[in-house]
Amino acid sequence: EDQVTQSPEALRLQEGESSSLNCSYTVSGLRGLFWYRQDPGKGPEFLFTLYSAGEEKEKERLKATLTKKESFLHITAPKPEDSATYLCAVQARGSSNTGKLIFGQGTTLQVKP
Amino acid sequence: EAQVTQNPRYLITVTGKKLTVTCSQNMNHEYMSWYRQDPGLGLRQIYYSMNVEVTDKGDVPEGYKVSRKEKRNFPLILESPSPNQTSLYFCASSSGGAFVRAQYFGPGTRLLVL
Repeated sequence: EDQVTQSPEALRLQEGESSSLNCSYTVSGLRGLFWYRQDPGKGPEFLFTLYSAGEEKEKERLKATLTKKESFLHITAPKPEDSATYLCAVQARGSSNTGKLIFGQGTTLQVKP
Repeated sequence: EAQVTQNPRYLITVTGKKLTVTCSQNMNHEYMSWYRQDPGLGLRQIYYSMNVEVTDKGDVPEGYKVSRKEKRNFPLILESPSPNQTSLYFCASSSGGAFVRAQYFGPGTRLLVL
């Protein structure tokens, strides 16, 4: 069964303290892996798409990387405004249900000043 | 402005009373999807559509119906709502059809079924 697991569930950092969030996935074949940011009470906001192992994407203090079994979202020198829940989602490659997306449960990040 | 709109934003209803939540996007996207979000369970896909007249089940389709008669609209129908359908619902759209790209999410519809 296709599955996406994110860790840790919650993470508290001091401002400037870099860290990484993990998204591990079990799918028959990967079509795409997505990272989203969600603020309380709002819809998720797109951050990155990764398609193949070895791929990396960067935006401001965030960098996403992908291997054959997991993805990392690295946060460098975070600021309080980076506090949010970060969601990972996977689209599997398959013969049916190819448009299906599976989300992990998210990592809630709190950055203290 | 590119956006996904949902209506209503908040809804309180009673068990068994049919309701429809509308979703509309103005980006000419092929792919549209409905999710529900519950504490401890994360975001779960209900139904998706890769193009007009093409819909398929996500992980939790029971108790829901959808239709895609126009590219811009993707309504979610609860024929006989039950209390376990109390949740926060999000609609999303993306270009790419079967190859989903960045999804744009609506603001959410908070549903309470009594």
